[in-house]
Amino acid sequence: GAVVSQHPSWVICKSGTSVKIECRSLDFQATTMFWYRQFPKQSLMLMATSNEGSKATYEQGVEKDKFLINHASLTLSTLTVTSAHPEDSSFYICRALRDRGPNEQFFGPGTRLTVL
Amino acid sequence: AQSVTQLDSQVPVFEEAPVELRCNYSSSVSVYLFWYVQYPNQGLQLLLKYLSGSTLVKGINGFEAEFNKSQTSFHLRKPSVHISDTAEYFCAVSDETSYDKVIFGPGTSLSVIP
Repeated sequence: GAVVSQHPSWVICKSGTSVKIECRSLDFQATTMFWYRQFPKQSLMLMATSNEGSKATYEQGVEKDKFLINHASLTLSTLTVTSAHPEDSSFYICRALRDRGPNEQFFGPGTRLTVL
Repeated sequence: AQSVTQLDSQVPVFEEAPVELRCNYSSSVSVYLFWYVQYPNQGLQLLLKYLSGSTLVKGINGFEAEFNKSQTSFHLRKPSVHISDTAEYFCAVSDETSYDKVIFGPGTSLSVIP
């Protein structure tokens, strides 16, 4: 089956630093990737949709300048949390689309970000 | 716009007892429905999905769900739970007009008691 990886799996950083999270589709090309954020004991909230070679589309209320998304290739999308603060601590999960249709979506294992 | 409701935020159940996790959705078009399981500090694992056809869907780990269009429900069931089923369960919906956008319910925390 299709595999999506995320790196790092967890990261701890100081307040004010920037953190980059990678999402890779290991055995397929993903023209579209999605980024979700999940706070403890809560559901997944869609942050943005990332299309290869174009600017990401952000959901309402998500700061595009704080959460920079780059989908530079068909197998890699990155989420950079700039000037991270403790309230950005969360579980970040990516989802990749292999092709059109509901059968073609695959989730990454998630990245736990803790900002001190 | 679509939405998903999971009325039970927490469900405690004794080991080997049956369990039902409820999910209701709202949508103006035909939907695709999913159940995902999330173990602590892990990503999502697809349990089962309804795309079309038979309304009774069987998934992994002995789970099944039934799509009921008239009641706009997609409840998840298992006849006998194990300790290892303790996890967070999410119901999700997308539709044929925006299949790529998946909306998640708030989740139900299943705790299996020995």
